[in-house]
This record gives sequence, C-alpha cells and structure tokens, in this order.
Amino acid sequence: QKEVEQNSGPLSVPEGAIASLNCTYSDRGSQSFFWYRQYSGKSPELIMSIYSNGDKEDGRFTAQLNKASQYVSLLIRDSQPSDSATYLCAVFDNTDKLIFGTGTRLQVFP
Amino acid sequence: SAVISQKPSRDICQRGTSLTIQCQVDSQVTMMFWYRQQPGQSLTLIATANQGSEATYESGFVIDKFPISRPNLTFSTLTVSNMSPEDSSIYLCSVDRRGENIQYFGAGTRLSVL
Repeated sequence: QKEVEQNSGPLSVPEGAIASLNCTYSDRGSQSFFWYRQYSGKSPELIMSIYSNGDKEDGRFTAQLNKASQYVSLLIRDSQPSDSATYLCAVFDNTDKLIFGTGTRLQVFP
Repeated sequence: SAVISQKPSRDICQRGTSLTIQCQVDSQVTMMFWYRQQPGQSLTLIATANQGSEATYESGFVIDKFPISRPNLTFSTLTVSNMSPEDSSIYLCSVDRRGENIQYFGAGTRLSVL
C-alpha cells in the first residue's frame, strides 16, 4: 500500500512566523510531488510542485524535496492568518496515480 | 490553470436515489479524474475517465455504483447510484490540462444523503 504521511496538526504559528509542514512517502520510485491548499469547504488549490532534490521557492512558499530520505516539506514565510487552511501533500506513484496525504491543518494566529 | 465547472455544487438526497454530477472543462483534456473526500478525510481516487474508453476504477469502487460517462474531451459525469448515508462526501473532478501531470480541481459537489 503506497502511502503519503502527514501530521494532521493543527500546527499553530503566530503571524509573521515561518510555518513548516512535512510529508513522507513510501514509494521510492515517485518523481513528482505537490502541495495543495484546501480552505474549509473549498476544493484543493495547487500551490507548489517539485520534481528535483533541493529547494524551490515561489513567493513566500518554499518546497523542499529529499528523495533519498523520501520526504518533502513546505515552508511558509511571514505566515498570515489567510494562510490558515489544510495543506495536502500529494505524490505521483509509479503508475501515475496521485496519492494524497491526510493533510496538515495550519492555524496562523494574529 | 484550467477553468473547471462542476455542478451541482451541493445536494441533499434521499437514500436509494441517484445523483449525477457534471464536470465541464474550458479546454480539451485527455484525462479527467473523479475523487471522493469523506468528512475529515483526504482525497481518494474513484476512477479515471478517458474519452472513448471505459473508465478505470480504483480498488473499492465499481461501475455499478459509480457509473461514469466521458462523451467528449471537455465533459464528464459521475453518477452516485442507490445512495446511502455512507455516500455523504465531497465529490471532486480534476483534470490534467496540458498533459503536464499536474491536476487541477473543480469546486466540488457536497452531497448529503438522508
């Protein structure tokens, strides 16, 4: 059973802090990794994709990938209350099926 | 990203009835995907719908319960048949618009079965 694991949280951070969200995956052959943000009652919205080891930055978001350790993380700098949402990690397995983690709920308090 | 329209946005249905959910994309796409998100859970793939062929169902999902149509490259439907309260979920369609292996989601259909 291919799995994507996330801490369900909630992860609470103060406004302006860095939020660090982590994800591990079981399929060593996975090559494509994604972070989606899901506000309560809404559908998932893609915020980052990453395919190579290392860091990928987009505005306040940085995705980090370490294939040897089978983990991918998302850093949110200068966290804002509007970042409060559930963050879903998703990984393509070697059959091109997108496997989702259960999500980490982030709460940013003023 | 793709513009993906899904309807209805929500519905309340009686057990034993069926509901058909529509997903319309603003451009032609090869593959469309249907997911279920049960309350407090993550997304589970129901099936993959390719135009011109039978949908491919994931383990635990069968065509009799979740028939899918894919009449053209911009449209698909998912029917939830003979509903029970356990079918109360959010149903989402997604597409890989440019063949980039990146999925974008519609707004979802929130289904409650009484």
